[in-house]
Amino acid sequence: NAGVTQTPKFQVLKTGQSMTLQCAQDMNHEYMSWYRQDPGMGLRLIHYSVGAGITDQGEVPNGYNVSRSTTEDFPLRLLSAAPSQTSVYFCASSYGSPGHLYTEAFFGQGTRLTVV
Amino acid sequence: RKEVEQDPGPFNVPEGATVAFNCTYSNSASQSFFWYRQDCRKEPKLLMSVYSSGNEDGRFTAQLNRASQYISLLIRDSKLSDSATYLCVVNARYSGTYKYIFGTGTRLKVLA
Repeated sequence: NAGVTQTPKFQVLKTGQSMTLQCAQDMNHEYMSWYRQDPGMGLRLIHYSVGAGITDQGEVPNGYNVSRSTTEDFPLRLLSAAPSQTSVYFCASSYGSPGHLYTEAFFGQGTRLTVV
Repeated sequence: RKEVEQDPGPFNVPEGATVAFNCTYSNSASQSFFWYRQDCRKEPKLLMSVYSSGNEDGRFTAQLNRASQYISLLIRDSKLSDSATYLCVVNARYSGTYKYIFGTGTRLKVLA
């Protein structure tokens, strides 16, 4: 049972480069989301999706794009990397959205991204 | 004021001790409350949900106080393996959409 799989685990980018963080889940969850975690701050929502073909912005969407062509996959694309995007990125999935009572979020192992 | 506030710690306690963490939240319409555990350089994992009546899972007890808008986590008989960061998570509604709001975490170190 793989759960939520994120790749890569580590990445170093140069300013201006683009890349895609991959996220896949095998639990048939409708709701998927991307967070970034920075020291001294809670996880902050970047983008989320309530199902295939539907995405929306979270708290800190600037500089990131997402797509959801299948239920399983929810890639996060950095358009033009900046040092401010140095962070740990987590993908998460859940059976329902946060509005569903006590819906557990399952997280991927995270991607440590450094932009130099 | 942060939406979810936690004491960052660290709480350094000896093995076998009892330790308690509190978390306050600002959105009175929040409906779901959780404690997640995050080990160093790992992903968060659900420790327990926090229900209105309070709930217990082995050495862990969670309480919810809606009137004062805080939740608590009590760990009895602390083990070395309990050393981790404990994240308080609540849901909150913004522009008609619910989102999870994460606290910054409380770090626990259990000492031999």
